[in-house]
Amino acid sequence: QSALTQPPSASGSPGQSVTISCTGTTSDVGGYNYVSWYQHHPGKAPKLMIYEVSKRPSGVPDRFSGSKSGNTASLTVSGLQAEDEADYYCSSYADSDIFVVFGGGTQLTVL
Amino acid sequence: QMQLQESGPGLVKPSQTLSLTCNVSGGSISSGGFYWSWIRQHPGEGLEWIGYIYDIGITRYNPSLKSRVSISLDASKNQFSLKLSSVTAADTAVYYCARMMSCSGCRVFDSWGQGTLVTVSS
Repeated sequence: QSALTQPPSASGSPGQSVTISCTGTTSDVGGYNYVSWYQHHPGKAPKLMIYEVSKRPSGVPDRFSGSKSGNTASLTVSGLQAEDEADYYCSSYADSDIFVVFGGGTQLTVL
Repeated sequence: QMQLQESGPGLVKPSQTLSLTCNVSGGSISSGGFYWSWIRQHPGEGLEWIGYIYDIGITRYNPSLKSRVSISLDASKNQFSLKLSSVTAADTAVYYCARMMSCSGCRVFDSWGQGTLVTVSS
């Protein structure tokens, strides 16, 4: 069982927006602005999409955005495109010996 | 652009030691002060941080694996390695190597390998 809770699946049609949630506790997501999101196409290397809640690395389209409210962080993908179909994982700083915690992943389907 | 690639046996017998290597290309493993990490994903589950090595020999491990894990770095070969001893079927997973940025508290993995499946079975 993962430390952070994500919905197992999400979907949307091309051009639409979809939001994926990531729920933790005050010891991780809620207590710190150190939430990251990763995109993973099976068989490929995971890719960093968002860090520190809402920052985008160079090269990541601005269709991807992140936010946080309380113990829940969110990744929003706007203007869905076929290539956005992938698994998405959140992670967070954890104020324990565990160091960093991850979510169980959300499979995003572009209908 | 930095690339990471895991290598090692795909099948390990119970009670033996799992050994994986991550070859780093496109940059020196000795520069930049990054944290070189291992992460795994059990079948159908989320990701689990295993540990990291920083600089020459500063390591930190997941408490749940600490007694069995060792991470080392070979700057001359531009690679770092994972050893996990006394493996059981519960260690069957896809193992990823990753580079973690050096920023206070951020816990950001900005480069990953593709992952390698290790199955523990007799």
